[in-house]
Amino acid sequence: QVQLQESGPGLVKPSETLSLTCTVSGGSITESYWSWIRQPPGKGLEWIGYISTGGNTNYHPSLKGRATISVDKSKNQFSLEMSSVTAADTAIYFCAGQLLLRGVPQYFLHWGPGTLVTVSS
Amino acid sequence: EVVLTQSPATLSVSPGERATLSCRASQTVSISLAWFQHKPGQAPRLLIYGASTRATGIPARFSGSGSGTDFTLTISSLQSEDSAFYYCQQYNKWPPYTFGQGTKLEIK
Repeated sequence: QVQLQESGPGLVKPSETLSLTCTVSGGSITESYWSWIRQPPGKGLEWIGYISTGGNTNYHPSLKGRATISVDKSKNQFSLEMSSVTAADTAIYFCAGQLLLRGVPQYFLHWGPGTLVTVSS
Repeated sequence: EVVLTQSPATLSVSPGERATLSCRASQTVSISLAWFQHKPGQAPRLLIYGASTRATGIPARFSGSGSGTDFTLTISSLQSEDSAFYYCQQYNKWPPYTFGQGTKLEIK
């Protein structure tokens, strides 16, 4: 059974870079696409981006280049960096894995429990 | 971007009764729609994919229907543990993948 766990600082200062890591257990990180999704307080879920089995990335257009997702296959982990954060980036951040169907990513099959990141000075 | 609109925002239903949740897409997503259950502090749980296929381990009282732009999640014979937020998500037209704003289901 695949399990995901997010880790990283819970508090980030405005204008700095948010960094989170997701550890995948019970499965290989080379067998899926891996996404970051966030939920601001009192709001809905927003997909941030994914990294593919081949290391290709795709991001939400609204993030305007602030997000970078990378993978460390040796540790079965993938990471998110988001630069120039503001209070609007305060959210619960989830990592998730997508089912692949004939190499095309589908729905989010596996999720971590999420981690709260607060942007404040 | 495909906008998903869920209704109602909050639903209060008695145990043993049926809950019907709606998700409407701003453009067709075929049957590429999933439903998730989320209890705060826990990982979201996949309930339905392909609009109507139950995920592994999901009880038969959860059912999904619809195609194109209109979708429904029905939970029959409600139990107390069904109290949660429910989200729909489309994976037909991306990026970005999009979610509905959620329905909060309360068990009276």
